[in-house]
Amino acid sequence: DTAVSQTPKYLVTQMGNDKSIKCEQNLGHDTMYWYKQDSKKFLKIMFSYNNKELIINETVPNRFSPKSPDKAHLNLHINSLELGDSAVYFCASSQDLSGGEQFFGPGTRLTVL
Amino acid sequence: EDQVTQSPEALRLQEGESSSLNCSYTVSGLRGLFWYRQDPGKGPEFLFTLYSAGEEKEKERLKATLTKKESFLHITAPKPEDSATYLCAVGADSNYQLIWGAGTKLIIKP
Repeated sequence: DTAVSQTPKYLVTQMGNDKSIKCEQNLGHDTMYWYKQDSKKFLKIMFSYNNKELIINETVPNRFSPKSPDKAHLNLHINSLELGDSAVYFCASSQDLSGGEQFFGPGTRLTVL
Repeated sequence: EDQVTQSPEALRLQEGESSSLNCSYTVSGLRGLFWYRQDPGKGPEFLFTLYSAGEEKEKERLKATLTKKESFLHITAPKPEDSATYLCAVGADSNYQLIWGAGTKLIIKP
């Protein structure tokens, strides 16, 4: 059983398009995250949700909008895609907000042409 | 400002050649220090949590140690399957997010 799953794994799209990435965890965790990993492999937190409530919202353009329909799901919608959005996006979850032990999904490689 | 620095950026070793990776941190109140392993094309995988200076954790050929300023990940007699990028992250008392280092890419040659 996959603990944290993301779809799609690869996403290739044109500038200006809108796209979504879905994430689900079956671990019963309260907290979920979205990270962006750039070409230099640096992991940057974007958002964190705890029991469907937004906790962390780093300096991310308004074009990025997370949605958590329930605590097992955290989706990421991106409007008006730009070249600089190309990266690998990881979803993760942890038992609670103190969660240093985070479980990561396989990642979604987004390429904007 | 809370900060995590890992060194070296990359490390190439022969199989069986032991070495250490470094994670230096500056944080206002350490909640915990966390080591992860990331294989190419995959998400990071949790390895260890260290909470206080002097603490050590071991798993197979890996041992993590912690002081008030840095953590070391010691690799003893590594094998090619230990090749990966090793990430260090720090949690601060002041907020919920982890502060991540840029990672050390470890390559073990047979």
